[in-house]
Parts: sequence; structure tokens; C-alpha cells
Amino acid sequence: DIQMTQSPSSLSASVGDTVTITCRAGQSISTYLNWYQHKPGQAPKVLIYSASRLQGGVPSRFSGSGSGTIFTLTISPLQHEDIATYYCQQAYSSSSSTFGQGTRLEIK
Amino acid sequence: QLQLQESGPGLVRPSETLSLTCTVSGGSISTTNCYWGWIRQPPGKGLEWIGTVYYTGDTYYKPSLRSRVTISADTSTNQFSLFLTSVTAADTAVYYCARRAPNYAIDVWGRGTTVTVSS
Repeated sequence: DIQMTQSPSSLSASVGDTVTITCRAGQSISTYLNWYQHKPGQAPKVLIYSASRLQGGVPSRFSGSGSGTIFTLTISPLQHEDIATYYCQQAYSSSSSTFGQGTRLEIK
Repeated sequence: QLQLQESGPGLVRPSETLSLTCTVSGGSISTTNCYWGWIRQPPGKGLEWIGTVYYTGDTYYKPSLRSRVTISADTSTNQFSLFLTSVTAADTAVYYCARRAPNYAIDVWGRGTTVTVSS
């Protein structure tokens, strides 16, 4: 398995802030990196695919960057409805995918 | 609009086999370059990828589960299934079926079904 490590594990920010979540891969995964938003009681939702491509229907305040082993998800400006847990996922290894441990986002 | 729906027992006894089925509607599991798979979330924990199947029958599994898991696809019924043998309490989770799109993102998910392993 390719290990995926997210930081921070949780964070609290105010509406209107810029929030950045980092995901590190245990080996180079090129840009085979996806980001998901997961709200309680709902299915996860893909926000970003291929590290930086915005999934259709996702607000433009979400953006992604990175390649190789370090990736970031940025939310700017933060909105109240963005309260959720965010996960990165590597899709480099077609035989075995892995998720990061998640970042819980709270609003101050 | 593509929709996925999980079905199966909500309670499984320890050491028995967990069996879930995902019914796909609004699209075909035979779609080229789309893979169909299972992800789970144990209580209080993060998402865990279990494995995927292609309509041809090719499968890919999480290494630590490979000895206990089977995922199969049935193109005649447009369904795919998860079988997890010798379950323990650690297999208690919300199980999601999902589609991996050609862009490698998991873009369509079922609503999830809770499976509890308990005697």
C-alpha cells in the first residue's frame, strides 16, 4: 500500500478564511491524487481529481495543487457549508488505492 | 442519472461471511474504463478502500484484506457484490459501493449501508 498522510488532522477556521490541507504520499504518485468531502450521514463527494482538476458542479472556491509526493487542497473563501471531513486518495496504484486519514474542518 | 444502491444484511455473526450487493441503475457496469468497488468506514475512523472489479471480472483488492475478500460483477443483472469471510468486530462499518470513473476519481457513490458484526 502507498501510505497517504494528511495534515492537520483537524482545524478550525472562520467563514471567509483561506484553509489549506496537505496530503503527503509515501512515494511519488505523479498527479494521481483526488480530494473528497465527507459530511455526516452522506456519501463522500469528489471535489478535485488528478490533483488540480475541479470536478463538475464543485464551487470554484475549492482548488488543488501538487505533484509527486506533496499535494494541497485549498478552500477560499471558507463557507459555513464547508464543515466536513476531507480526504485525499491516491489513484496511482491501480491494484490498490488508499485514502489519507482525513482532516476534520470546523467553523469557529 | 447513474445511481448505486447497496443491499444486504445489517447484522453478521462473527466468523461468518459478509455479503453485500450493489445495484446499478441509470447506466451499465459494462462501461469501458469504469471500475466498480467497495469502500468502508468503521465507526469513528476514516475511509478504507476495499477493492474494485471490472466488468470483465478483473479484480483488485486491498492487500491486507486479500485473503478474505471477493468482489464479483454480474453484467446480466447490472450488479456487483462484496463477500468478506471470517468477519470480526473490526469489520463493523458503513459500507459504500461506488464507481471509479475513467479519470480515476470515485465519482458516484451509494448511500452506504451499516453492517454490524456481533453475536
